[in-house]
Amino acid sequence: GENVEQHPSTLSVQEGDSAVIKCTYSDSASNYFPWYKQELGKGPQLIIDIRSNVGEKKDQRIAVTLNKTAKHFSLHITETQPEDSAVYFCAASYYGQNFVFGPGTRLSVLP
Amino acid sequence: EAQVTQNPRYLITVTGKKLTVTCSQNMNHEYMSWYRQDPGLGLRQIYYSMNVEVTDKGDVPEGYKVSRKEKRNFPLILESPSPNQTSLYFCASSTTNTEAFFGQGTRLTVV
Repeated sequence: GENVEQHPSTLSVQEGDSAVIKCTYSDSASNYFPWYKQELGKGPQLIIDIRSNVGEKKDQRIAVTLNKTAKHFSLHITETQPEDSAVYFCAASYYGQNFVFGPGTRLSVLP
Repeated sequence: EAQVTQNPRYLITVTGKKLTVTCSQNMNHEYMSWYRQDPGLGLRQIYYSMNVEVTDKGDVPEGYKVSRKEKRNFPLILESPSPNQTSLYFCASSTTNTEAFFGQGTRLTVV
């Protein structure tokens, strides 16, 4: 079955700096890769996603890149703000079925 | 409003007393899953369902049961809860080519 690894487990950055979180997946059949943000006491919320026919996607300060050959995908957050502090999860799925999640990255943005 | 609703949000119970956590979605999604979230371990899948009357084990199914008699509901049953099932539980639903939508979570404590 699918296995998703995620690094780093914790990340501290200064406000205004960039943050990068990396994930790898094992199943080459996976074709949909969402990223979730989880704030304290809440369920995970989608922030951006990418499908296997696309190499990069950007939404304002957030971007995701996908390397299908290496089975890597990454989340990039630029100009970080204190409200970006949260736990971030990557996931892999086949057409929206049966999501497998990485272990999460706790991002702290220091003012 | 599209949503996944879990109940209860908080539950304290004693070892061995059967309990059910309910999950309902109003988006007509085919796929539903249960996850447990423990510190440092991310979201681990307990069970998932591809459609009515179709369920399958995830990564950590021991001690749990599920049923999918209706498309919108996917209850999680703990027949004889034990302290190692103390955790934060999330229900999620999705359909083809969409992200997983999460409920707000159920924090279960078994004493």
